[in-house]
Amino acid sequence: SQQGEEDPQALSIQEGENATMNCSYKTSINNLQWYRQNSGRGLVHLILIRSNEREKHSGRLRVTLDTSKKSSSLLITASRAADTASYFCATDAEGNNRLAFGKGNQVVVIP
Amino acid sequence: DGGITQSPKYLFRKEGQNVTLSCEQNLNHDAMYWYRQDPGQGLRLIYYSQIVNDFQKGDIAEGYSVSREKKESFPLTVTSAQKNPTAFYLCASTRGIGNQETQYFGPGTRLLVL
Repeated sequence: SQQGEEDPQALSIQEGENATMNCSYKTSINNLQWYRQNSGRGLVHLILIRSNEREKHSGRLRVTLDTSKKSSSLLITASRAADTASYFCATDAEGNNRLAFGKGNQVVVIP
Repeated sequence: DGGITQSPKYLFRKEGQNVTLSCEQNLNHDAMYWYRQDPGQGLRLIYYSQIVNDFQKGDIAEGYSVSREKKESFPLTVTSAQKNPTAFYLCASTRGIGNQETQYFGPGTRLLVL
């Protein structure tokens, strides 16, 4: 079952701008992860945020988690053309070491 | 050079034919997973295995089969019972089976029906 749902589905921005995408989920989680997928490739893990954390940074990435609203956001600052990809959130709500992935959020960064 | 590999990159299936997708990892990871990705639908779990000689069905196991005879290998067979097999198939692994494990993905196999 799909737990996460990203919003908006597609985003086109100019290089140097910030890109923000959101993810909502339905049930309680222990952690939430974000992955990136370049076209036709496998997914790459970006960041994990635990349920007791509200914000986490990794380089130009900033992730927030609001468990009361069951939502998370991923912010990419000072975007680059190489950031062009699809971004997926995934939650552990399924348990048993299974992840439930959202439908993905396509980001296009125009040079 | 550690990682997870999938082969072939492209695979063509004829009607009524079974085909097998390969997934190998040299990360010494315990758990392995197979996902199917269709446009606009994200990843859906087909099968997963937490230990050698054991595996569990995911959300869309019908028409697929797997084996886990070796820790490093988790092949997926798409059987003739799978009526709509055209998709991008992704294999992944995790070091352990805790709830904070990061999944490492292979490059994927694109399956097309002739």
